Amino acid sequence: DAKTTQPPSMDCAEGRAANLPCNHSTISGNEYVYWYRQIHSQGPQYIIHGLKNNETNEMASLIITEDRKSSTLILPHATLRDTAVYYCIVRVEETSGSRLTFGEGTQLTVNP
Amino acid sequence: GAVVSQHPSRVICKSGTSVKIECRSLDFQATTMFWYRQFPKQSLMLMATSNEGSKATYEQGVEKDKFLINHASLTLSTLTVTSAHPEDSSFYICSARGWRTDNQPQHFGDGTRLSIL
Repeated sequence: DAKTTQPPSMDCAEGRAANLPCNHSTISGNEYVYWYRQIHSQGPQYIIHGLKNNETNEMASLIITEDRKSSTLILPHATLRDTAVYYCIVRVEETSGSRLTFGEGTQLTVNP
Repeated sequence: GAVVSQHPSRVICKSGTSVKIECRSLDFQATTMFWYRQFPKQSLMLMATSNEGSKATYEQGVEKDKFLINHASLTLSTLTVTSAHPEDSSFYICSARGWRTDNQPQHFGDGTRLSIL
């Protein structure tokens, strides 16, 4: 299973871009990179996912390096409500149905 | 967007009681549902995976007779914690995924905080 490595914590000023890195050096060719976040005492919220190409949606952008060994989640204008634990997950593909395995994530704190 | 509803949001009960938690997909058919558990200051731990109409697949170390999972329809899965004890106190979170493609995101409920006295 490809594992991910994220910094345990990061700080960001409100209104600035938050760039959250993730290393997944053992990712295989058909595994997707998913990003979720969890605000305290809530269930995880899906943010974005990608395979090879960079992706953008209304919440964030996902930049995946050409060798796919790392990626960066970008929140373009962070707000206080973006304070959460952000999880970078590589989808485990198995015959019984792929599932998400969570690591420790990055605690992002957006400061006023 | 896809919505997963989980009920109840909080349960407090006595030791020895069995507790049932419901998970519903509100706007899509969930062929696969997942149950996670999260202890304070820890990450989510997958407990089991269930496909509609099939028996659940439990992760190593999770007692299937303790945590009964039923996924009888495409919109409902239940987790029953049988004879709950204080060590079962935790945050239980369900997740669901539809059928269209295998890289479809999982969507999560808001969790159930279970406290056993």
